[in-house]
Amino acid sequence: DGGITQSPKYLFRKEGQNVTLSCEQNLNHDAMYWYRQDPGQGLRLIYYSQIVNDFQKGDIAEGYSVSREKKESFPLTVTSAQKNPTAFYLCASSMNGGAFFGQGTRLTVV
Amino acid sequence: GQNIDQPTEMTATEGAIVQINCTYQTSGFNGLFWYQQHAGEAPTFLSYNVLDGLEEKGRFSSFLSRSKGYSYLLLKELQMKDSASYLCAVVGNMLTFGGGTRLMVKP
Repeated sequence: DGGITQSPKYLFRKEGQNVTLSCEQNLNHDAMYWYRQDPGQGLRLIYYSQIVNDFQKGDIAEGYSVSREKKESFPLTVTSAQKNPTAFYLCASSMNGGAFFGQGTRLTVV
Repeated sequence: GQNIDQPTEMTATEGAIVQINCTYQTSGFNGLFWYQQHAGEAPTFLSYNVLDGLEEKGRFSSFLSRSKGYSYLLLKELQMKDSASYLCAVVGNMLTFGGGTRLMVKP
């Protein structure tokens, strides 16, 4: 099945730790995105990549890092510099005619 | 710049029709999407418009006017399960989302 897969679905992090959220797609989409969503709020753009080996900061990039070494993969690292990382994280990919989301990762700091 | 506006909240009655508007100003335009998102879940795709006009899919329809930078999502025969957030998104030079419209359907 073609699609976009995020893992894990739930993730717990201790304060001071870095964690990496996985996002993989087999839709052959060039563009991939990471969004953060807090309860009752809209989507806020963290980072996006329109081509392999290139990515751009979104509106709330501080405390996050990404890489795009392969077209299929766009992992997001939440670093210890992100002071309030508890949120729902959504990955999306798009190309003309389609934009699709993964199932999301709910990150909780314990 | 990228700017997409939609109302924050709407309320409607079960069985009625509701129209959710979206206006946009983006760099480039390659299509407009509508998504439905229930609390705690990922958004699910509802519709895609790239040409002007109305796209109908069951109880849901979406309209686009590129010259006006305007779209709407029309929901007919509202059901309680339609209570959700509805997100308007434009693919221009990048994928940009509006803030979402929280729809509450009342009996």
